[in-house]
Amino acid sequence: QVQLQESGPGLVKPSQTLSLTCTVSGGSISSGGYYWSWIRQHPGKGLEWIGYIYYSGSTYYNPSLKSRVTISVDTSKNQFSLKLSSVTAADTAVYYCAGRGPGLGGGGDYWGQGTLVTVSS
Amino acid sequence: EIVLTQSPATLSLSPGERATLSCGASHSVSSSYLAWYQQKPGLAPRLLIYDASSRATGVPDRFSGSGSGTGFTLTISRLEPEDCAVYYCQQYGSSPWTFGQGTKVEIK
Repeated sequence: QVQLQESGPGLVKPSQTLSLTCTVSGGSISSGGYYWSWIRQHPGKGLEWIGYIYYSGSTYYNPSLKSRVTISVDTSKNQFSLKLSSVTAADTAVYYCAGRGPGLGGGGDYWGQGTLVTVSS
Repeated sequence: EIVLTQSPATLSLSPGERATLSCGASHSVSSSYLAWYQQKPGLAPRLLIYDASSRATGVPDRFSGSGSGTGFTLTISRLEPEDCAVYYCQQYGSSPWTFGQGTKVEIK
């Protein structure tokens, strides 16, 4: 069974870059057909999709965040990462990593437990 | 971008009653790639329904999904106290993937 775990600083200063890593266990991040995503949830609010990286390396980002987001993969560590630059208090949220696959259909769906990131000086 | 609109915002029902949650899409959802998630406080979302109508592993059969195109429904046939949660729809047929704003189900 695929499992995901987020890690990274829980506190980031305004204007800095938020960096989170998701470690995948129970399967290879390079497995064909998998989409590796980041999703966030502002306190007391709904879910916001940030973007994904496909197993092939192609990426797609939420247009509202595209100028500040980078998602990348480290196959040697079976991890994928999120970088969000120039953060403000509005980026304070619980950040989830998730996986879907193989392929879009079929119900393969895996989530990390989430990690709270607070943006504050 | 496909905008998903969920209704109602809050649903308050008694145990044993039937709950009907709606998710409307601004454009047709490709291949019925629509999912329903259940989220309880402090926990990650849990997949209930994928591909509009397929129940995820381990999900009780009182949960069912239907619909296609721009209109989708999640039905809970007989509410149990543990169904108290927020339910989100998500489309993953077109990028960017998008979520609805959620429906809160309260048990009286």
